[in-house]
Amino acid sequence: GNSVTQMEGPVTLSEEAFLTINCTYTATGYPSLFWYVQYPGEGLQLLLKATKADDKGSNKGFEATYRKETTSFHLEKGSVQVSDSAVYFCALSKGGSNYKLTFGKGTLLTVNP
Amino acid sequence: GAGVSQSPSNKVTEKGKDVELRCDPISGHTALYWYRQSLGQGLEFLIYFQGNSAPDKSGLPSDRFSAERTGGSVSTLTIQRTQQEDSAVYLCASSIGQGASEAFFGQGTRLTVV
Repeated sequence: GNSVTQMEGPVTLSEEAFLTINCTYTATGYPSLFWYVQYPGEGLQLLLKATKADDKGSNKGFEATYRKETTSFHLEKGSVQVSDSAVYFCALSKGGSNYKLTFGKGTLLTVNP
Repeated sequence: GAGVSQSPSNKVTEKGKDVELRCDPISGHTALYWYRQSLGQGLEFLIYFQGNSAPDKSGLPSDRFSAERTGGSVSTLTIQRTQQEDSAVYLCASSIGQGASEAFFGQGTRLTVV
């Protein structure tokens, strides 16, 4: 079946540091890939997505590239801010059941001033 | 309302009791989803509604779990004879169409079974 594996953290960084959160997936065919973010006290929000190989999703300074050859979708940001402190979830959905998301376990990011 | 609303936000119940969790989706959203986040686990899909029908309920973990949706709007997730392993955060999401990436999530109901 489909699965998503992401680094579990927690990750603690200083402001302006470089961020990478690794995510790899297992799925047949060509899933769509997503990063969701959950800020403290808020619901899950879609951060970015990519629907085919070599696509790059980007939003709010975050980027992730769909790498079919390594089945990866690592999240990166060049300079994190305190306001980026949140839990980040990598997820995928597949073709005919594109309503169904398969999530990783989430990574807690804390950014200190 | 402006977003997906879930109630209650927290629920503590005794083992063996039944609980009902409510989800008010965004007005006009035809698709509704329930997910569960257990300690140490990722979010697990439970059930998907399109209108009042549930074409996919494959994620419901046992026959103690059921869900319904009425009027194409409010949904209720019912857990009968709760067990400690049911303790989790239950998330609801809704979307205009079927696409998961277009879904808006509520803040969840934290269920604790003691």
